[in-house]
Amino acid sequence: GQQLNQSPQSMFIQEGEDVSMNCTSSSIFNTWLWYKQDPGEGPVLLIALYKAGELTSNGRLTAQFGITRKDSFLNISASIPSDVGIYFCAGQEWYQGGKLIFGQGTELSVKP
Amino acid sequence: KAGVTQTPRYLIKTRGQQVTLSCSPISGHRSVSWYQQTPGQGLQFLFEYFSETQRNKGNFPGRFSGRQFSNSRSEMNVSTLELGDSALYLCASSPGLASDNEQFFGPGTRLTVL
Repeated sequence: GQQLNQSPQSMFIQEGEDVSMNCTSSSIFNTWLWYKQDPGEGPVLLIALYKAGELTSNGRLTAQFGITRKDSFLNISASIPSDVGIYFCAGQEWYQGGKLIFGQGTELSVKP
Repeated sequence: KAGVTQTPRYLIKTRGQQVTLSCSPISGHRSVSWYQQTPGQGLQFLFEYFSETQRNKGNFPGRFSGRQFSNSRSEMNVSTLELGDSALYLCASSPGLASDNEQFFGPGTRLTVL
């Protein structure tokens, strides 16, 4: 199936460090969403982006909608142990209604 | 506001059987989308229902079907189960509007096919 290219696949960091992950696509999206998923649970929406160039924050999380509309990144500042989980980017094309195309995920591990 | 609920949370079936999964969206949301999550393929879109009509469909065989009721609750059915259908099935609810289409996921139904 169609997927976004999300990197890195995994990260092992020390508590307090900043984290950055990104997604790229061959398609233009009108919406970018970032989710976090814990084991055995559904993805939880972290940040939604609707405009090219948009920079949005949610606490220690900051995400940007790339100006080409084909990429997005997510930064987490001053990581803490509860940031552990899998982070997914998802893109949505304007004419595709509710259909989200997901990246492969970035698995984040935080060492106290 | 209550979140998205899915039932059952866990299901074990054997090959050839059929299964029905249920999803209750957030109150006021008219769109329900279904996704399949597997370690190999990640999150893949199955279909979306909006106001009881299928609005979008992914690339899954016809064994996968769904419907939506007038109260926006949705069901997904998989017939003639195969081993490869073992997955976490997630539903997501949203208002379904072009100006407001953020999707919120339920906890999922873990289907195991033996």
